[in-house]
Amino acid sequence: DTAVSQTPKYLVTQMGNDKSIKCEQNLGHDTMYWYKQDSKKFLKIMFSYNNKELIINETVPNRFSPKSPDKAHLNLHINSLELGDSAVYFCASSQETFQKQYFGPGTRLTVT
Amino acid sequence: DAKTTQPPSMDCAEGRAANLPCNHSTISGNEYVYWYRQIHSQGPQYIIHGLKNNETNEMASLIITEDRKSSTLILPHATLRDTAVYYCIVRVPTKTSYDKVIFGPGTSLSVIP
Repeated sequence: DTAVSQTPKYLVTQMGNDKSIKCEQNLGHDTMYWYKQDSKKFLKIMFSYNNKELIINETVPNRFSPKSPDKAHLNLHINSLELGDSAVYFCASSQETFQKQYFGPGTRLTVT
Repeated sequence: DAKTTQPPSMDCAEGRAANLPCNHSTISGNEYVYWYRQIHSQGPQYIIHGLKNNETNEMASLIITEDRKSSTLILPHATLRDTAVYYCIVRVPTKTSYDKVIFGPGTSLSVIP
C-alpha cells in the first residue's frame, strides 16, 4: 500500500488556468506538508497542516490555497497559473511536526 | 538560509563505504539532525536521525561529533542504487510556535562501478 499518494503524477496546463493537486496519506499521521522543487532542485516548504490546522505558511502567492478536508488529505489548489509555477510539487506527512517525514512521489506541473 | 553545509558532490566506489559530511555549527542543544535522500526526482526518503549519540539502522550509520557541530552519514557498502542527492537538515526556529526544516542543495553522491 502506498503511504503517501498524489494525483495527478503529471499535469500540463496553460497559463491562466486553475488546477488542483490531491494528496492522501494512510499512515494516520497528524501533520501534512506541501513542498515545491524548482528546476534548480531546491526543495522548499510551502505549507504545513497539523490536525487540519494551517501551521506553516511560507511566502507563497495567494494564488496557492491548501485545503485539508480531514487529517488524511491535503490538497493544493492553484489559481491563475503562471510559467514560474512549473515545478515538481511533493506532499509529505509525519506524525509530529517536522519529525520523520514520508514523501509522496511528486506531481510534475508544467505551465505552457 | 539553510543551517547546514554539505559538499556539493562526492564519488564513491561500489562496495566501499560512503562517508557524507555535514556541518551544522549553529545547531541548538535540542535539535535533531535528519538525513534524507532523493533518488532521481523521486520523493525524498528518510534515512536516519540523531541528537547526540551515534545511530545505526538498516540503511546507514550516523556519527555526530561530541560538540554536535558536524555529523557524518555512513553508507557501509555503497551500491549503484545509492546514487542520489543526500540532504542533511536541522530544524529552523520560526516566529510561530512551530519550527520548520530547510532543505539545502545537498550532496550529490555518485556510486561508481
